[in-house]
Amino acid sequence: QVQLVQSGAEVKKPGASVKVSCKASGYTFTNFYLHWVRQAPGQGLEWMGIINPSSGSTTYAQRFQDRVTMTRDTSTSTLYMELSSLRSEDTAVYYCARMTMSGGTWDFWGQGTLVTVSS
Amino acid sequence: QTVVTQEPSLTVSPGGTVTLTCASSTGAVNSGYYPTWLQQKPGQAPRTLIYSATNRHSWTPARFSASLLGGKAALTLSGVQPEDEADYYCLLYCSNPRVWVFGGGTKLTVL
Repeated sequence: QVQLVQSGAEVKKPGASVKVSCKASGYTFTNFYLHWVRQAPGQGLEWMGIINPSSGSTTYAQRFQDRVTMTRDTSTSTLYMELSSLRSEDTAVYYCARMTMSGGTWDFWGQGTLVTVSS
Repeated sequence: QTVVTQEPSLTVSPGGTVTLTCASSTGAVNSGYYPTWLQQKPGQAPRTLIYSATNRHSWTPARFSASLLGGKAALTLSGVQPEDEADYYCLLYCSNPRVWVFGGGTKLTVL
């Protein structure tokens, strides 16, 4: 069965960076796009960007363009999202989610990773 | 920057029917936006219910249906159950630039 298992909660200080992982299993890792989405406490969902695990190509939301880096390791079927220059507003749950390469079909989601930014 | 608009909140009685809508600031929503609907319950990850405007996933109950209606994407719940109380998000693909945009979500109360 398809699973996206994310790394555990993180606590970071303002100005630091955080790297969240998302390990995929149950399907061919390079055959599906993966997105990163975040949700601040009590707020809605926010799209951060997408990566093609096959080529490594990425597209980021404009507001994260200069602070986010999405990478993947095909040998371990793991996706990474690194966010730098953290500020308190980056406190949120970060999710990875899978999408088909044709038809834009979103299906499975990771369980989420809470990142807390606090001095 | 595209803005996706949903009703902030709706209330429905058990067994009733309710329709949630999703509009784009760039114009009428069509299949090219790949309208996607998600359900999120407190403390849980989102769950994708509908993709490509009208298609249910295998895990999506049949009481959830979706359509394109009057220039918007719409999600209709028929025979609402208490467990349908949740936040519902619309998600649209915007081709220029190539980004995905979430609506603000609709808090559905079953009362």
